[in-house]
Amino acid sequence: AQKITQTQPGMFVQEKEAVTLDCTYDTSDPSYGLFWYKQPSSGEMIFLIYQGSYDQQNATEGRYSLNFQKARKSANLVISASQLGDSAMYFCAMNGGSTLGRLYFGRGTQLTVWP
Amino acid sequence: GAGVSQSPSNKVTEKGKDVELRCDPISGHTALYWYRQRLGQGLEFLIYFQGNSAPDKSGLPSDRFSAERTGESVSTLTIQRTQQEDSAVYLCASSRGLPNQPQHFGDGTRLSIL
Repeated sequence: AQKITQTQPGMFVQEKEAVTLDCTYDTSDPSYGLFWYKQPSSGEMIFLIYQGSYDQQNATEGRYSLNFQKARKSANLVISASQLGDSAMYFCAMNGGSTLGRLYFGRGTQLTVWP
Repeated sequence: GAGVSQSPSNKVTEKGKDVELRCDPISGHTALYWYRQRLGQGLEFLIYFQGNSAPDKSGLPSDRFSAERTGESVSTLTIQRTQQEDSAVYLCASSRGLPNQPQHFGDGTRLSIL
């Protein structure tokens, strides 16, 4: 089975600074996908970025980039130039193997951006 | 519609009653998922439908929970004889069914059991 670990319950960053949210995963499957979602206080889950296990380059989407270190089984989310609207809960998730359809989620990291 | 639609947005019911939650996926999405999120927790997988294949029910916590989906359209999640520990936000998601495609979530149903 897949497992996601997010060790930072809360993170603080000043506006316009960059921040890294940690995510490590555990799987014995060679093929898997890694996802990051943002959940503001309003509750909706917003997809941010995806990285496939065979992708050679780190994924980027605007201000979001994924620092994928396969050997270390880590998939950290980097948010550049933080904005006040980035304050939210961030979840790392993965799929793969025989349970391809479902996502396994970490417990999340609460990010607070201060002015 | 443009996104995943869930109803009701809020449901308050008494312990022991049955509840039915509805999810309308994004048009064209073959895969549909139900998750549960307890307060301050991550998402817990419940069930997954992919096209006409048998659903993956491995996440359903007890036989009080069931779900149906007709074709590639609406799904209903039913909880019978509700218990207080069933209180949570129930989130539905849909996707194109490929492993590299993200799941798109609805706004959820907040279920409160008195």
